[in-house]
Amino acid sequence: QVRLQESGPGLVEPSETLSLTCTVSGYSISSGYYWAWIRQPPGMGLEWIGSLYHSGITNYNPSPMSRVTLSVDTSKNRFSLQLTSVTAADTAVYYCARIGDSGPFDYWGQGILVTVSS
Amino acid sequence: EIVLTQSPGTLSLSPGERATLSCRASQTISSSNLAWYQQKPGQAPRLLIYGASSRATGIPDRFSGSGYGTDFTLTISRLEPEDFAVYYCQQHGSSPLTFGPGTKVHIK
Repeated sequence: QVRLQESGPGLVEPSETLSLTCTVSGYSISSGYYWAWIRQPPGMGLEWIGSLYHSGITNYNPSPMSRVTLSVDTSKNRFSLQLTSVTAADTAVYYCARIGDSGPFDYWGQGILVTVSS
Repeated sequence: EIVLTQSPGTLSLSPGERATLSCRASQTISSSNLAWYQQKPGQAPRLLIYGASSRATGIPDRFSGSGYGTDFTLTISRLEPEDFAVYYCQQHGSSPLTFGPGTKVHIK
């Protein structure tokens, strides 16, 4: 069974960098598939942030994602998100997910709430 | 960017009734690139339908998807108490990947 688990700080100060990690179990990232980050502001809808492959190939949502960097650590079977210069608008539940064979997000982490506040 | 519009925004129904949810795209999508998700409060979304009409693993057959081009539909044939949730459509054929704003199905 594929499982994903997000981890990282739940509170980030404005203008700082948000850093999250998604640890995958039950499947080796280096075996394939794209892996993704999606976020959901409180009470709102879902926004795709970006995706990456185990080789390091990335695909980002251009808005607002010039501030985003995705990376992968296959030795630890995890991938990471960095979002710089955060503002209150970046407050959201952040999910990591796997992109399945036919393209949709087939496995999701439970999500982690990140609040941007001083 | 492909914009997805869902209607209605909210659907008030009773258990046992049929639910019909609509998703309209701003441009043509290949049917293979349209998915539906269910999200309950405090939970991550769960994949229900992919390829517009294929049920994901473990999804009951009361959930069905249809449509092509720009108009897609998710149908729940007989609502069970656990089906009251928010439903999102998503296209994954064109970057950026986008979601609709959701339809909330709540108990009448």
